[in-house]
Amino acid sequence: DTGVSQNPRHKITKRGQNVTFRCDPISEHNRLYWYRQTLGQGPEFLTYFQNEAQLEKSRLLSDRFSAERPKGSFSTLEIQRTEQGDSAMYLCASSLGGGGAVDTQYFGPGTRLTVL
Amino acid sequence: AQKVTQAQTEISVVEKEDVTLDCVYETRDTTYYLFWYKQPPSGELVFLIRRNSFDEQNEISGRYSWNFQKSTSSFNFTITASQVVDSAVYFCALDSNYQLIWGAGTKLIIKP
Repeated sequence: DTGVSQNPRHKITKRGQNVTFRCDPISEHNRLYWYRQTLGQGPEFLTYFQNEAQLEKSRLLSDRFSAERPKGSFSTLEIQRTEQGDSAMYLCASSLGGGGAVDTQYFGPGTRLTVL
Repeated sequence: AQKVTQAQTEISVVEKEDVTLDCVYETRDTTYYLFWYKQPPSGELVFLIRRNSFDEQNEISGRYSWNFQKSTSSFNFTITASQVVDSAVYFCALDSNYQLIWGAGTKLIIKP
């Protein structure tokens, strides 16, 4: 049973460039989440998918951020026109949800973004 | 508002000592879930426990135990006979509409 995987693990980019991250959830999981974590802080929620539907977006997710989960399996998070403040660890989690119950989120290793 | 407070920024103990990590939460929900995760130096968040608000029984798993007290809105985590491998940042989290609201974490250093 493979866990959540994320690619790339590290990304260094120049300010103003676009970047895209990929997350592959645990295979049977229907829910997928993106979080951002800066040094010394807990993760902050960005967005959440149930299957292919994006059900929740944080106000942290500015217009420069977009996330997709086109077939209800893997997801991508794109940041356009990156800024130095976007430097952080981007975490993906997945869970097996249903019936309105809160389920356990399992996390991937994260993608560390550095914007120069 | 939903909030999780982990007042201990960093704790350092010598191996084999017991250590308790504190977590205090705020929520107006009558039904809610609390979580603990471990983040070792490698960076990947590892799930430790999930507890719902209706279950106030203490939980024990090996050297780990959790004390949930609704009266004080606390969900504390104790490691008994700590080991160097327990060194990590530990996060307490509260669910809110499928989002997790996280504390700032407690960095635990176990010295040999």
